[in-house]
Amino acid sequence: SQTIHQWPATLVQPVGSPLSLECTVEGTSNPNLYWYRQAAGRGLQLLFYSVGIGQISSEVPQNLSASRPQDRQFILSSKKLLLSDSGFYLCAWSRQGPLIAFGSGTRLTVV
Amino acid sequence: DQQVKQNSPSLSVQEGRISILNCDYTNSMFDYFLWYKKYPAEGPTFLISISSIKDKNEDGRFTVFLNKSAKHLSLHIVPSQPGDSAVYFCAPSYNTDKLIFGTGTRLQVFP
Repeated sequence: SQTIHQWPATLVQPVGSPLSLECTVEGTSNPNLYWYRQAAGRGLQLLFYSVGIGQISSEVPQNLSASRPQDRQFILSSKKLLLSDSGFYLCAWSRQGPLIAFGSGTRLTVV
Repeated sequence: DQQVKQNSPSLSVQEGRISILNCDYTNSMFDYFLWYKKYPAEGPTFLISISSIKDKNEDGRFTVFLNKSAKHLSLHIVPSQPGDSAVYFCAPSYNTDKLIFGTGTRLQVFP
């Protein structure tokens, strides 16, 4: 069976510090991978998605970037965090079709 | 440009009664619609879906209705149970790569 791992679960970072959130998927190959963010009072916003190694599509302009160095690894990064980057970050994957499965999320608080 | 709207941010229902969660969309290209359920500090989990070729899909206590002409989607839960208390997101799709999520409706089922 497929599983998705996302870490850390919670993170408190000062403004201006870098960020690296990691996500890995097990039990499948060549998945589509996604990063979503749930900001306070808002829905789930798609940030990035990837259909293969090194292939990243950005949905919204922002202070974040994503990379896919391996088939089942997806990394969300920032060089300098802003207060507005606070939120609940979710990694997700899909294999075929629109149904996607989410990881457990990372609560990021920028102070 | 919000393609998916869930106009009720919250809903409170007594246990045993029917819960009706609504979703409106603007993009007529959407051809597959999913509902996700999310508990606090967890990733969303898939609940039920419907294809645009149908107007109703039922799974146990959960039924999703689709009115394409009105671009309206609804999720019915009957009978509602306290464990149904969560945030519900509708998520239409128009290709197999990504979902567009609504802002969510927080359902509270009280005894």
